[in-house]
Amino acid sequence: EDKVVQSPLSLVVHEGDTVTLNCSYEVTNFRSLLWYKQEKKAPTFLFMLTSSGIEKKSGRLSSILDKKELFSILNITATQTGDSAIYLCAAKNQGAQKLVFGQGTRLTINP
Amino acid sequence: DGGITQSPKYLFRKEGQNVTLSCEQNLNHDAMYWYRQDPGQGLRLIYYSQIVNDFQKGDIAEGYSVSREKKESFPLTVTSAQKNPTAFYLCASSTQGANEKLFFGSGTQLSVL
Repeated sequence: EDKVVQSPLSLVVHEGDTVTLNCSYEVTNFRSLLWYKQEKKAPTFLFMLTSSGIEKKSGRLSSILDKKELFSILNITATQTGDSAIYLCAAKNQGAQKLVFGQGTRLTINP
Repeated sequence: DGGITQSPKYLFRKEGQNVTLSCEQNLNHDAMYWYRQDPGQGLRLIYYSQIVNDFQKGDIAEGYSVSREKKESFPLTVTSAQKNPTAFYLCASSTQGANEKLFFGSGTQLSVL
């Protein structure tokens, strides 16, 4: 059975800190790994990763995939209170028409 | 504005009652999905539909039903057979060719009275 596990489940840091969120996966015929940010209600797309070792970057956020060790990390530098959210990781296999989501990491940034 | 609209935002269900959650999209997406979100459990797939008049069960379909009579609409009915319906329900859509990149609605919080 395909599985995605995120850690930590909850994280509280101070504004300005750098955080690393982890996502490990066990997916047959892996195709892609995705990160979403859920601030209030609707998750919004952050990154899609398909190749190992290639960093994707968007402002203070970056993510990388390791297909040998079956994990991905999401880094956020110089955190701001607006980064407070649930961060969801999801994986897809080649044949399936659906994503498998992890439990999410609830990130809280204190001023 | 293109997007996905879910209604209502909040819904209360009485014992033994069926309730229907609405999901409408104007993104011209072929695929639509229903997820359930419980605290600490991430998103779990209830049903999905790749094309009109066709849908498949997800991982937790028991106690739920759907229809896909129009491309734009994918309503979810929570039946009385669903014994633990209290959760946050998210609808999503995607294009067929890139169905990893989901676009989500703002969700419906369902609670039992």
